[in-house]
Amino acid sequence: GAVVSQHPSWVICKSGTSVKIECRSLDFQATTMFWYRQFPKQSLMLMATSNEGSKATYEQGVEKDKFLINHASLTLSTLTVTSAHPEDSSFYICSASPASGAQETQYFGPGTRLLVL
Amino acid sequence: SQKIEQNSEALNIQEGKTATLTCNYTNYSPAYLQWYRQDPGRGPVFLLLIRENEKEKRKERLKVTFDTTLKQSLFHITASQPADSATYLCALLGEGGYQKVTFGTGTKLQVIP
Repeated sequence: GAVVSQHPSWVICKSGTSVKIECRSLDFQATTMFWYRQFPKQSLMLMATSNEGSKATYEQGVEKDKFLINHASLTLSTLTVTSAHPEDSSFYICSASPASGAQETQYFGPGTRLLVL
Repeated sequence: SQKIEQNSEALNIQEGKTATLTCNYTNYSPAYLQWYRQDPGRGPVFLLLIRENEKEKRKERLKVTFDTTLKQSLFHITASQPADSATYLCALLGEGGYQKVTFGTGTKLQVIP
C-alpha cells in the first residue's frame, strides 16, 4: 500500500529557532500534499495545500511567512516553522494525494510532534 | 459556517457488541465522506469512503451509511474487539476542491473486554 513518511517523528527546540519537517511519499508520486496541525484533544486542521512546482495555498489564519512550505519534487514536501514559539507546539501531520489516483484518495504520514521550549 | 460534529467525545462499549458512531454536518455539501482511525500519537488511517449517491458501504466488520438529507453518517463496528479502541474521525471532501479534507472532532472509542 501507499506509504507516507515524516521526519523527524518528534523534535524539541528552543524558542526563536526554525524547524524543518519533511514529508515523503515512499512508493508513489504525489502532485498534491497537505499539511495539518492537531492540538491535544482536537481534530486535524488543514494548514495548507502544496502542489509540486507551485506556491502553497494557505488556509485562512495560517501565516505563510511563518510556515514555509516547499514542494520541490513529486515525492517530497517540507514545512519549516520559522522563529518557533511555544504556541507552535503541536502535532504536525502531512498527507499526500497520488498523481495517478482518484482525487479523493489521501495517505497520511505518522506525524511529527513539535515541542518549543 | 461549516460544522462537523461527532456524537460524543468518548464512547465505551462491551466487547462483542456493535459500536455506532455518528457524524453530523451543517452548511456543507460534500461529494464524499470518509472515516479514519487515529491511534494516540499517530496519523489517521483511512478506513472507508462513501460517495454522496451511495447509501451504505461495508468492509469486513465495518459499515457506513450516508444520508445527505439528514446530513448525517453512521459508522458501525460489529463484533467489536479491544483492538478497535481508538479515535475515529469522520471527514468530508468536496467543497473547496475534492482533495480538501475537513475533519470532524473525533470520537474516542473504548472497547471493554
